[in-house]
Amino acid sequence: SAVISQKPSRDICQRGTSLTIQCQVDSQVTMMFWYRQQPGQSLTLIATANQGSEATYESGFVIDKFPISRPNLTFSTLTVSNMSPEDSSIYLCSGGQDREQYFGPGTRLTVT
Amino acid sequence: QKEVEQNSGPLSVPEGAIASLNCTYSDRVSQSFFWYRQYSGKSPELIMSIYSNGDKEDGRFTAQLNKASQYVSLLIRDSQPSDSATYLCAVNRGRALTFGSGTRLQVQP
Repeated sequence: SAVISQKPSRDICQRGTSLTIQCQVDSQVTMMFWYRQQPGQSLTLIATANQGSEATYESGFVIDKFPISRPNLTFSTLTVSNMSPEDSSIYLCSGGQDREQYFGPGTRLTVT
Repeated sequence: QKEVEQNSGPLSVPEGAIASLNCTYSDRVSQSFFWYRQYSGKSPELIMSIYSNGDKEDGRFTAQLNKASQYVSLLIRDSQPSDSATYLCAVNRGRALTFGSGTRLQVQP
């Protein structure tokens, strides 16, 4: 298994600003992903963080809004840009080797 | 049709009973299947994975997979109040997971 940490755990931001969320895995993993979970909802995949190359985004998510970096096999960042109240959500990082994925504790974002 | 479907519940069972959680998926090429447990305010925790038809047991948990029927289930034996949580079914069609909406389980003491 993999142990995943995220920073910050929560934040309150003003609209129009940006927030960068960090995800750290305790071991090298081939796969890292970013998900969003809105209140009372299930998880929605934002993008696959690819090491050394551009992330692969799901339909409805774009790089200008959610730029992602993955400089190595243990670390990734997600930036939520030009935030609006609709971006208020929990953002989750996941990672794993082979098929199993493990989740970080999440970042609870509130945009006012 | 949703890619992964679950009954949202809540499913209420008495302590000590068997809880049965069900999930269907639409894409026949799906290869890997997972059950996650999510307590309120926490992130999902992987509790079971299953890759081939049949049953897989781990402690009080049994996952069942039927690829012909595109059906995955999770049985929790001797349910405890601490099992009260939302259970998410997830399907892997390549690399990323597609999640169902989750079933809320309530175990009554």
